[in-house]
Amino acid sequence: SQQGEEDPQALSIQEGENATMNCSYKTSINNLQWYRQNSGRGLVHLILIRSNEREKHSGRLRVTLDTSKKSSSLLITASRAADTASYFCATGEQRNSGGSNYKLTFGKGTLLTVNP
Amino acid sequence: KAGVTQTPRYLIKTRGQQVTLSCSPISGHRSVSWYQQTPGQGLQFLFEYFSETQRNKGNFPGRFSGRQFSNSRSEMNVSTLELGDSALYLCASSLFRGIGEQYFGPGTRLTVT
Repeated sequence: SQQGEEDPQALSIQEGENATMNCSYKTSINNLQWYRQNSGRGLVHLILIRSNEREKHSGRLRVTLDTSKKSSSLLITASRAADTASYFCATGEQRNSGGSNYKLTFGKGTLLTVNP
Repeated sequence: KAGVTQTPRYLIKTRGQQVTLSCSPISGHRSVSWYQQTPGQGLQFLFEYFSETQRNKGNFPGRFSGRQFSNSRSEMNVSTLELGDSALYLCASSLFRGIGEQYFGPGTRLTVT
């Protein structure tokens, strides 16, 4: 079963608008990552936020993490047509201190369409 | 640095056949993970190799196997192909094991007829 669930499944906005995607998960995590995938190609890492962090920025991206609600959001500001892609959250769970048992689980993604 | 490369990019096979996919990680990366992506199930973790040893395995049948060579290149094999094996197979490499940033290749699109 999926650990991270993105919401909404699809989002369509106009160029210049902001896009917000949410991710909810079920168990305790060590980190949460966001990836972008263009049209059935490989995924590109966008940002990683650790469980002890609440907010992180990278260029036009802002990620928040609320571990009490087990949720994260990805905000893309001033969107561009080139931001059209699927966005995935991935939860990282490390199950023991030695790091030999860990799990990185991807959600099913949000399809973002930015119209010019 | 060159990115993760996967070959072939597209493959069409018949039910019952077997297939081998190849992945070359970023130079210096020793961890290679494989994922299966389908519209219905999304991204599913297959297995991870580090230092030529399988370190982690997802919930897939034994028909799915893999290996890693001393130069960190990895192959995955699917035997007795089924229609449901049609998917995009993605390889990802990382510098260390664990739950850090993954660098993905472009994928191999496998179609089973």
